[in-house]
Amino acid sequence: DSGVTQTPKHLITATGQRVTLRCSPRSGDLSVYWYQQSLDQGLQFLIQYYNGEERAKGNILERFSAQQFPDLHSELNLSSLELGDSALYFCASSVETSTDTQYFGPGTRLTVL
Amino acid sequence: GIQVEQSPPDLILQEGANSTLRCNFSDSVNNLQWFHQNPWGQLINLFYIPSGTKQNGRLSATTVATERYSLLYISSSQTTDSGVYFCAVVSWGAQKLVFGQGTRLTINP
Repeated sequence: DSGVTQTPKHLITATGQRVTLRCSPRSGDLSVYWYQQSLDQGLQFLIQYYNGEERAKGNILERFSAQQFPDLHSELNLSSLELGDSALYFCASSVETSTDTQYFGPGTRLTVL
Repeated sequence: GIQVEQSPPDLILQEGANSTLRCNFSDSVNNLQWFHQNPWGQLINLFYIPSGTKQNGRLSATTVATERYSLLYISSSQTTDSGVYFCAVVSWGAQKLVFGQGTRLTINP
């Protein structure tokens, strides 16, 4: 158990819908990262938050947004869903920066029908 | 951006065998991690090893930063070692982990 929790474990929804994925980092970790794992793209970085502020952005679509709350949990919002958004979404956390060990949550498997 | 290449892409072994997985990267790094993704999709941290050598039970890892490669050794393989092994790095000045494509390891009883 990495100490990072993600909910829900599985999510099945239809095209055009909007969903919210939730992540709680390890106790004491200030940075939260979101990654997407799809069959064709592999594991890709989406976005990083540090202590409530966006720190780095990767290949995140405009339809996707994220935020980190004062209690440090984070949410990833995916809207206008398309079939190609079906993937495993991971949250990770680290103490401060990306040079620290990143610990991954169990992931949320999103299926868009 | 930095490129991460893992080899071999697939490896099939009998229980009890030893294996070496390789990760090459194209630039200097300040973070290198090895992960095991089990059949249920969980990403399990194995090592944080931007340089040097570490051991944890039957697993060990070595990173030679000056030559831009890392090796993961698995000894006396067990069927529970099956899964995909990923190497991921953070290059200097970057904020994100960049993953290789993984090595799929299958251990047969």
